[in-house]
Amino acid sequence: AQSVAQPEDQVNVAEGNPLTVKCTYSVSGNPYLFWYVQYPNRGLQFLLKYITGDNLVKGSYGFEAEFNKSQTSFHLKKPSALVSDSALYFCAVRDSQTDSWGKLQFGAGTQVVVTP
Amino acid sequence: EAQVTQNPRYLITVTGKKLTVTCSQNMNHEYMSWYRQDPGLGLRQIYYSMNVEATDKGDVPEGYKVSRKEKRNFPLILESPSPNQTSLYFCASSTGALSLQFFGPGTRLTVL
Repeated sequence: AQSVAQPEDQVNVAEGNPLTVKCTYSVSGNPYLFWYVQYPNRGLQFLLKYITGDNLVKGSYGFEAEFNKSQTSFHLKKPSALVSDSALYFCAVRDSQTDSWGKLQFGAGTQVVVTP
Repeated sequence: EAQVTQNPRYLITVTGKKLTVTCSQNMNHEYMSWYRQDPGLGLRQIYYSMNVEATDKGDVPEGYKVSRKEKRNFPLILESPSPNQTSLYFCASSTGALSLQFFGPGTRLTVL
């Protein structure tokens, strides 16, 4: 069974400071991991994904995420946050060891608030 | 323009009155999926489809039906809606299960 947790409901950061949004997962096989962002009153947009290969994944809008197998984590990071990064961020996982290949599990979401 | 469209965008209905939310994509994607978004619960997958005539349950399929008769369309059917199905619904599509998903604009459903 697959599951994903985003331990923080909200992250507050000042503009220009580093931003980290945490995500941990649990799978039976290998994880396929995704980050999506939902800007206010808009649909969800893809940021990045980890399937295999380099543990550091670079994505859209200057975001990156680090896959850590030993800690079962896939934290999203941005070196210098912008006010426009204020949004709801979702981590999602798919298990390689599953009969339900199309099943995708999302976390509860983390609200990011970047203050000027 | 490549997009996923959903209709209606807003719907208020009453308990037990059958309704369909349509979803259509113009990107020739094989994979499509329906989610509901509720505060504190994030996105939960209702149903997904790997291709035409291939649908399967997600985490919260109870009270919903889907069909995939053609590649571009993936309607969500609520045969007898109940108030606990009041939610924000998103349709998404992608080239495959491991590919990035394109999401529709969402349908806000209220069941009284």
